[in-house]
Amino acid sequence: DGGITQSPKYLFRKEGQNVTLSCEQNLNHDAMYWYRQDPGQGLRLIYYSQIVNDFQKGDIAEGYSVSREKKESFPLTVTSAQKNPTAFYLCASSISAGGYHEQYFGPGTRLTVT
Amino acid sequence: AQSVSQHNHHVILSEAASLELGCNYSYGGTVNLFWYVQYPGQHLQLLLKYFSGDPLVKGIKGFEAEFIKSKFSFNLRKPSVQWSDTAEYFCAVNAGNNRKLIWGLGTSLAVNP
Repeated sequence: DGGITQSPKYLFRKEGQNVTLSCEQNLNHDAMYWYRQDPGQGLRLIYYSQIVNDFQKGDIAEGYSVSREKKESFPLTVTSAQKNPTAFYLCASSISAGGYHEQYFGPGTRLTVT
Repeated sequence: AQSVSQHNHHVILSEAASLELGCNYSYGGTVNLFWYVQYPGQHLQLLLKYFSGDPLVKGIKGFEAEFIKSKFSFNLRKPSVQWSDTAEYFCAVNAGNNRKLIWGLGTSLAVNP
């Protein structure tokens, strides 16, 4: 089955630690995205990548980093500089980065930092 | 700045009631419009989309939306909701040559059996 996988589903970390969230897609999509979803705040774009070895900051990139070494993979690192990291993180992909393309979403990772 | 407003944050309906969720955007040029749905415990998925042509678009599960350019609106409708429509609904807009989607804050719909 084609789709997007995110792991793990739940992640717990101590404050001050960096943590990496995994996102893999087998849809052969060029574009990938990371969103953060908080209750009542909709989806906020963290980073997106139009193609391998390229990525752009979204609206709330501070405290996060990404890499895109392979077409299939777009891991997100939540660094200790992110002031409020506890959230639900969604990864998505689309055929290309034009905003007219449907985005396909993974199941999400719920990160709790204490 | 471009923005998307969803006027109803929480909606509670009984089964068979009609549904209309509001979505307005702020951009005067060409737009591509989307409604996504997130059922409890499931992935966010596309409900319907508008790019051009007939402003009344039909999506999955009996949903439809109407693009009214003069009102900058793209409201979602369903004539008769079911308990299984309980979900969170998001309106999203792609404006101009922007490579990103602008998302509304979402509307939580609860349908009582």
